[in-house]
Formats: sequence, C-alpha cells, structure tokens
Amino acid sequence: EVQLLESGGGLVQPGGSLRLSCAASGFTFSSYAMSWVRQAPGKGLEWVSAISGSDGSTYYADSVKGRFTISRDNSKNTLYLQMSSLRVEDTAVYHCAKDLAGAGYFDYWGQGTLVTVSS
Amino acid sequence: DIQMTQSPSSLSASVGDRVTITCRASQSISTYLNWYQQKPGKAPKLLIYAASSLQGGVPSRFSGSGSGTDFTLTISSLQPADFATYYCQHCYSPPFTFGPGTKVDIK
Repeated sequence: EVQLLESGGGLVQPGGSLRLSCAASGFTFSSYAMSWVRQAPGKGLEWVSAISGSDGSTYYADSVKGRFTISRDNSKNTLYLQMSSLRVEDTAVYHCAKDLAGAGYFDYWGQGTLVTVSS
Repeated sequence: DIQMTQSPSSLSASVGDRVTITCRASQSISTYLNWYQQKPGKAPKLLIYAASSLQGGVPSRFSGSGSGTDFTLTISSLQPADFATYYCQHCYSPPFTFGPGTKVDIK
C-alpha cells in the first residue's frame, strides 16, 4: 500500500525557515517524480515544486522560486522541501504527491502538514 | 505560464443529475489535463488524467473530454459521494497550474 506521510510543519515567523519531509512507502520511491502541492486555508490547490525520480531535475512555481528548495534522498525514501524567507502568504497545508508517470499527474497524496507563517 | 479557469465556480445539483464542469487553458495544452476530486479535510483524489483516461478504481460515471484549450468533466448520474470540490490541472509543462475549483453541493 502506497503511503506518504508529511512532517515538519508548524508556526514560524515571517522571514523564517522550515524544512518539510515526506516519508514514502509501498512503491519504488526512486523511480517516481514527486511534487509538493499546497492549499491555503479555505482556498484552492497550488502546485509548488517537483523533482524527477531519475536525474533530480527540479521545478518551481514562480511564487516560491529562489526561496524554496525541493530535494530527495532515495536511500531514505524521503522527499524534502526546504522553505526560507517565509511569508504570511505561504501559510497552507503542504501535501506531497506521487507523480503517476513522470508526467505531472498525481495518483497518491499525503494528508498534508500545516505551515503557519505569522508574527 | 499557463492559466486555468473553471466554470461554474459552484453548482447545486440533485442525486441522479448529470453534471458538467468546464475547464479552459490560456493556451493549447493538447490533452495534458487532469481532474481531481477533493472533500473537506481530505487530500485530493485523481479522477481523470490525460483529459479522458479514467484512473483505476474511479466509477465509470465520471468521464472527461476535450483537447487544446477546452475540457469538460462529466458526472453522468450524481451520487451522494460526489458532493465535493473538483479541480482541473494541466501538466503540459511546469508550473503545473490548477484551476480555481468547482464546488458541487446538494440542491
């Protein structure tokens, strides 16, 4: 059974940093691209970042480019999102998602971890 | 970047109704279009990928169509479990933008 379990969320002040983790199980993690998708309270879904399974290519939404860094440790079956220079508007539930075929559609999602940016 | 719009933003329908949701891309995306269902407090669920391919385990009352810039999600006979918010998402090239969502509630 595929499982994705996010952790690392919490309350942080504007300008601060946080690292999210997503522990994956039930599939060959290294073979799949992964993404982070966030959802601000009461709002819609926003794709944040993606990383390929093979060569580690990374992609970012304009809203986070230069502030967030996606990475993965295939030996630990874990996906990361390092977030810095956090803004109030980064407040959201952050989901990790498995890419079905490396084509940008997500067949499994974690339940998410809440990041709150507030002073 | 490619922008996605959806219409309507919300709709009220009854069990058994046929429901159609429209998604439009700001430029041609061929069939690189996916649909998700999300219920309150839950993670999204993939329903349709590549515009018209039904994800495994998804009931056949869900169907998708379209190509280029205009796409539709159709629920042939609305069931109680289908009351949720529906999002389209393109995967033509990063950033993989989602539409703003369509909330389907009970009439």
